[in-house]
Amino acid sequence: EAGVAQSPRYKIIEKRQSVAFWCNPISGHATLYWYQQILGQGPKLLIQFQNNGVVDDSQLPKDRFSAERLKGVDSTLKIQPAKLEDSAVYLCASSFGQRTDTQYFGPGTRLTVL
Amino acid sequence: TQLLEQSPQFLSIQEGENLTVYCNSSSVFSSLQWYRQEPGEGPVLLVTVVTGGEVKKLKRLTFQFGDARKDSSLHITAAQPGDTGLYLCAARLDNNDMRFGAGTRLTVKP
Repeated sequence: EAGVAQSPRYKIIEKRQSVAFWCNPISGHATLYWYQQILGQGPKLLIQFQNNGVVDDSQLPKDRFSAERLKGVDSTLKIQPAKLEDSAVYLCASSFGQRTDTQYFGPGTRLTVL
Repeated sequence: TQLLEQSPQFLSIQEGENLTVYCNSSSVFSSLQWYRQEPGEGPVLLVTVVTGGEVKKLKRLTFQFGDARKDSSLHITAAQPGDTGLYLCAARLDNNDMRFGAGTRLTVKP
């Protein structure tokens, strides 16, 4: 069974530029999560989708971050404009259904903002 | 202040040694999970504990959930270089959101 796919794996941009990350969850998984993991910290949930609807985006900095999950499958996370403190690994995870289901993580995208 | 405090932050040991890492909080949780994350990869779930006092074993790894469901420990017996990684605990809150600790970075030297 294929795992959660993410691209790109690495991205380097300058501050004030825009960047987008892509995630393809495990086939059949209705729930998709985006996490931010800053160096030396654990993952922090940014947004959760159930199919193509947002369940929780309370920790998403909405002035610069946006995410969508069209057709309830793939998802993109965008940062516009990026700040130095956005440097982190952005992890995508998916689960079959409810929040209590096991989450499967992708390898992440490492973003460096210069 | 972190919801989940993990200790130690870093641990470097020799192959064959035993070790214990801790995950502590002042809050009560319905469940707690342990993950291992290797460099360049996402976290992988090791175990979920849900009952106070519960002990679960996964080969050389022993997980315990505190009686009051506020803390947990992970004990590794006869550590091997393949155990090297970042060990994260995560708790599910009453609103079903999940919160991660900062992790313990373990290095096992051959």
